[in-house]
Amino acid sequence: DQQVKQNSPSLSVQEGRISILNCDYTNSMFDYFLWYKKYPAEGPTFLISISSIKDKNEDGRFTVFLNKSAKHLSLHIVPSQPGDSAVYFCAALRQGGKLIFGQGTELSVKP
Amino acid sequence: NAGVTQTPKFRVLKTGQSMTLLCAQDMNHEYMYWYRQDPGMGLRLIHYSVGEGTTAKGEVPDGYNVSRLKKQNFLLGLESAAPSQTSVYFCASSYGDVGGSPLHFGNGTRLTVT
Repeated sequence: DQQVKQNSPSLSVQEGRISILNCDYTNSMFDYFLWYKKYPAEGPTFLISISSIKDKNEDGRFTVFLNKSAKHLSLHIVPSQPGDSAVYFCAALRQGGKLIFGQGTELSVKP
Repeated sequence: NAGVTQTPKFRVLKTGQSMTLLCAQDMNHEYMYWYRQDPGMGLRLIHYSVGEGTTAKGEVPDGYNVSRLKKQNFLLGLESAAPSQTSVYFCASSYGDVGGSPLHFGNGTRLTVT
């Protein structure tokens, strides 16, 4: 069973606009969430994280929102740039457990 | 600073052959991990290690073995490769448990089993 789901395999956005990537989870025991970014032929790199005690975390153009009641998190990128084109993975963690990754969403930012 | 280095980058195996994937990190990290990435499945944890001489099973350990004889190296072995093991394999390391320190990934090994 997929405990972390990214239901959109791909997303296309115009440069300068907002990109919103979504992630849903089923396990209410998850208490820490992360986003990773992956370019082709490279490994994923850490982007941003959020603890379950917060509902928002911001780092420059990247903001992650957490809605615990809906078991939903989202990554907002504003403004989107062509260099943001990559696959984005959300991941969830519970105490004592290991990271569970979603399937990934491929973002394409068009000039 | 190389970070996490995986060798080889590509490999083609015939069913039943064996091979070892090598992961080396130069960040003095305690924790090391092996993941596989398959289309539509995301990254799934195969095995991990919380320190030199230790190993533990992840989500999908069957058909794989691992060893952590030195802190900086984490080996993933396939004793008898099967087509279902065709995948991209990523090694990762972290200073501590992932809740406190993010994973650093290598660039992957693309394995095809025919």
